[in-house]
Amino acid sequence: DTAVSQTPKYLVTQMGNDKSIKCEQNLGHDTMYWYKQDSKKFLKIMFSYNNKELIINETVPNRFSPKSPDKAHLNLHINSLELGDSAVYFCASSQGRLAGERDEQFFGPGTRLTVL
Amino acid sequence: LAKTTQPISMDSYEGQEVNITCSHNNIATNDYITWYQQFPSQGPRFIIQGYKTKVTNEVASLFIPADRKSSTLSLPRVSLSDTAVYYCLVGDDYKLSFGAGTTVTVRA
Repeated sequence: DTAVSQTPKYLVTQMGNDKSIKCEQNLGHDTMYWYKQDSKKFLKIMFSYNNKELIINETVPNRFSPKSPDKAHLNLHINSLELGDSAVYFCASSQGRLAGERDEQFFGPGTRLTVL
Repeated sequence: LAKTTQPISMDSYEGQEVNITCSHNNIATNDYITWYQQFPSQGPRFIIQGYKTKVTNEVASLFIPADRKSSTLSLPRVSLSDTAVYYCLVGDDYKLSFGAGTTVTVRA
């Protein structure tokens, strides 16, 4: 059983289009995340949801909108795609943590987005 | 907020021990130190986490000196399949993200 799954794995699209990436976790975790990994391998957090509530919203264009229909799903919708949006997007989930302790995050396989 | 510094890359050969040191001079009292591993075309995977002294699991060991301003991830007897990027993270502030990590290349 896949713990964190993402679809699609590859996404090639034209500038200006709107696209969505879906993420599902079957681990029963309360918290889900979206990360963007650029060509230099920096993995930067974009959003975090806890029990369907947005708790982290980093400085990303408002063309990016996360949607959490339930705590097992966190989808990422991107409007008006730009060349600079090309990257690998990772979804992750985790369950609770103690103060200062970084709880283990489980990552999906990633979605490679290419904007032409 | 504790920032980390680690080498950009390291080369090794099969069967050797690889030690990656991470500096975190501003680590807070209740911060833990966590390491992740990322293989090409995959998401990062948790390796080990510790607070002080030494932690060991089936994959790696983590050495943390008393002042906790640095930590060393030790990979015993690496194989070609250990070629990956290794990320050091401190604390629970996800806004720090994962940085560029250390690319470890294991050669035959």
